[in-house]
Amino acid sequence: DAGVIQSPRHEVTEMGQEVTLRCKPISGHNSLFWYRQTMMRGLELLIYFNNNVPIDDSGMPEDRFSAKMPNASFSTLKIQPSEPRDSAVYFCASSYRPRANTEAFFGQGTRLTVV
Amino acid sequence: QQQVKQSPQSLIVQKGGISIINCAYENTAFDYFPWYQQFPGKGPALLIAIRPDVSEKKEGRFTISFNKSAKQFSLHIMDSQPGDSATYFCAASIKDKIIFGKGTRLHILP
Repeated sequence: DAGVIQSPRHEVTEMGQEVTLRCKPISGHNSLFWYRQTMMRGLELLIYFNNNVPIDDSGMPEDRFSAKMPNASFSTLKIQPSEPRDSAVYFCASSYRPRANTEAFFGQGTRLTVV
Repeated sequence: QQQVKQSPQSLIVQKGGISIINCAYENTAFDYFPWYQQFPGKGPALLIAIRPDVSEKKEGRFTISFNKSAKQFSLHIMDSQPGDSATYFCAASIKDKIIFGKGTRLHILP
C-alpha cells in the first residue's frame, strides 16, 4: 500500500482565497483524522471521521474550516476564506477500527502558506 | 482535561547518552498512550505505545515508563544515536481520538 496520500504537498495562496486540501486514506482503514501542526501549538486534532461520518469536530478553529468525507477513500479539508494565521502543516492520518487504540498512519502533510 | 503536557520543548544529548522526555495528562479516561517520532518533512510515525495497566514497556533502546497514580509517563532512549534526532510526540487516546503533546525536538550530538 502507498500509505496515506495527501495533496498538494505545498500550497501558497493569497489571503481571502479558498484552499482545499485532499487526503486518500489507506485502503481498508475506516477512521480518518485531520491535524494541524505549528511550532506554537504542536499537533492539533481538527476533526475525525469514522466510517465516513464526522465524530468529533470540536477542534475545527472556526466556521471558515470545513471537512468532508464523501466516501471511504477520499476526504477534503477546506478553508474559506484563508487567513495568514492558517499557515501551518496540515496532516491527514488514518487507522483501522474495530481494533481500538491502533496505530494512526500519517501522510506527508500539506504545507500551507497564506500570504 | 483533554490536554497532554510535554517537556522539555527541546533536548540536546551526547551520543551514547540517555534521552528522557516527560508527559502528563489529566483525563483518567485516556486508555492508550503512544509515542510518535517525526523526521523533518515527514509525518509522525508510531514509535512505541503502552496501556495504563502496564508500568513499563521496552522495545530495543526505547522504554516507556508509566505512572498511573501520578498521571505521568515518559520516554527513555538509551544509548542515543545521531539517527534518533527528530521530534517526539507523546499522545493519549480515548477510542479513536488521539491528543498529542506539543512535541520535543531532540538533537543527538555526534
